[in-house]
Amino acid sequence: RKEVEQDPGPFNVPEGATVAFNCTYSNSASQSFFWYRQDCRKEPKLLMSVYSSGNEDGRFTAQLNRASQYISLLIRDSKLSDSATYLCVVKAPGAGSYQLTFGKGTKLSVIP
Amino acid sequence: DGGITQSPKYLFRKEGQNVTLSCEQNLNHDAMYWYRQDPGQGLRLIYYSQIVNDFQKGDIAEGYSVSREKKESFPLTVTSAQKNPTAFYLCASSIVQGPTDTQYFGPGTRLTVL
Repeated sequence: RKEVEQDPGPFNVPEGATVAFNCTYSNSASQSFFWYRQDCRKEPKLLMSVYSSGNEDGRFTAQLNRASQYISLLIRDSKLSDSATYLCVVKAPGAGSYQLTFGKGTKLSVIP
Repeated sequence: DGGITQSPKYLFRKEGQNVTLSCEQNLNHDAMYWYRQDPGQGLRLIYYSQIVNDFQKGDIAEGYSVSREKKESFPLTVTSAQKNPTAFYLCASSIVQGPTDTQYFGPGTRLTVL
């Protein structure tokens, strides 16, 4: 079974803190990597794709290590609005198609 | 505005009844997907469709059926054969079904079996 494993959380951090989420995946054929954000009782929304060279979008930085099959997400200067569950998502070829495998998510609560 | 719509938002079903969940997109995406999410679990793929009039089973297709008669529509029927249908159902779409295409999700339907 191809798995995506994430830190179980929850992470409770004060405003302004830096927080890092880790994710490992078992399928070495995985080709694309994403972080999604999911608010309580809402749909997942794409936060950012993750590239081998690493990429940054404002306060968010994503890293990928293909050799270790490891993905990370760093959030700097946490805001109250960052409170959500963060899903690590991996795409790999399957039987004639490409399939997403979702981690169970890590819940973040940013505290005033 | 382009996007994915799902209806209804909440659905209650009695045991033994079939129900159909609607999913419509106006993004002109070829590929559409149905996922199920249970509390504390990752999303699991039920069915997907890469093109009109074609669809494939995902990891947990038993007890579900779909159709894809139009590009913009991909309804999901939860049949009485589905043993634990209470869950959050999410529809998604992507431009094509390729290695880098991003999937975008609708707002979901929360199904409860009474």
